[in-house]
This record gives sequence, C-alpha cells and structure tokens, in this order.
Amino acid sequence: GEDVEQSLFLSVREGDSSVINCTYTDSSSTYLYWYKQEPGAGLQLLTYIFSNMDMKQDQRLTVLLNKKDKHLSLRIADTQTGDSAIYFCAERAGGADGLTFGKGTHLIIQP
Amino acid sequence: NAGVTQTPKFQVLKTGQSMTLQCAQDMNHEYMSWYRQDPGMGLRLIHYSVGAGITDQGEVPNGYNVSRSTTEDFPLRLLSAAPSQTSVYFCASTLAGGGEQYFGPGTRLTVT
Repeated sequence: GEDVEQSLFLSVREGDSSVINCTYTDSSSTYLYWYKQEPGAGLQLLTYIFSNMDMKQDQRLTVLLNKKDKHLSLRIADTQTGDSAIYFCAERAGGADGLTFGKGTHLIIQP
Repeated sequence: NAGVTQTPKFQVLKTGQSMTLQCAQDMNHEYMSWYRQDPGMGLRLIHYSVGAGITDQGEVPNGYNVSRSTTEDFPLRLLSAAPSQTSVYFCASTLAGGGEQYFGPGTRLTVT
C-alpha cells in the first residue's frame, strides 16, 4: 500500500536553514504537499508541487522533488521561532481518494 | 470567502450516543474528505466524495457515515460513539483535478 515516511524530529538553530525530508512509495503520485500544524491548530497548506516539477520556490520555502527516488524535501531558509511546528508531508495518488500523510516532523528551534 | 468551516469546535459524547459533525466549503470544490488525527498516527482518511451524490470509503470508515446532497456540505455521522473514536476530525476540500487542498479548523471529539 501507499506509505509516506518522515523523521519525527528536527532541531535547528534560529537563523539557519531547516531541511525536512519525506519519502513516499506510490509511483502514481500526482501532487505532493507540505502542511504546517501549530499546537492545537488546524493544518495550514504551505506549498504543493505537481509531480512533473522538480523544484518550487515560494519566499523562504523551497520544495525539491526527486521522482526517481520518491524523495521530497522542504527547505525553510532563515528559520525563525515562528516556524516551530509539526510539518506534514502528504501525497495524492492518481486515483480519486484522499491524501496519504506522513506522521509529521516536529521542527524545534534553538535560540 | 470563508474557506472550509467545521462545527462544532469541541464535543464530548457518551458511549453509544450519535452525532453529526458539520463541514461546509464555499470554494465550489468538487472533492471533499474527512480525516481523523490521532497522536503519533498522522491523519487518516475516513470517507471522501468526488461530487454531490457520490461518496466512498477511505482507510478507516467503520463507525462513520457520510452523505453529499450538495456541493457545499459534507457531514460526518457517528452512529454509536465509542471511546476509540476520540480524536480530532478534519474536513478538507479541493478541486477534482487536484492542486490546493484546504483543511477546516478541526473538531475535537471526546467519547467517554
């Protein structure tokens, strides 16, 4: 079946870049997503990438997709304390059903 | 443009009670779905709908019913609540072809 894997924790210093990695197994994925969730809050769509792209940049966020290795990454430049949250990777397969989520990466910012 | 809205925000039920979680979107999205989020489990798909009158099961459908009589609304019904259904429930919507998929703010449900 489909599977999406992420590391559970990432700790970075304020001002450094954060790179959150994700691997997936479904080769028919059409869209891949990154969501941010702060404590007690809902899911905020950060960015998404269509499977025929290999990179997408949006202000401090850069998404890289390696379709051959089924690897997705999210780079946050100049990490700030407000970036502290759980980041979920999700993929949408080619069919009509929903997203498959990873378990989320807790981003911890050190001063 | 309110996006995806959910009511209620919080709910406490006793085992065996039934209730309906409401979800609505005003973006004219064809595709709507329900997820539950449990600690350490990420989000799992309960049911989804690709348009009015069409629904299908996701990964964890047991104990839940859905219907889609309009494009805007996609209610989730708990038929006989169980403690295992204690969770945070999120509704989402997107265009049928994919792209931006938005989530509602969630409903925190506790079943005692």
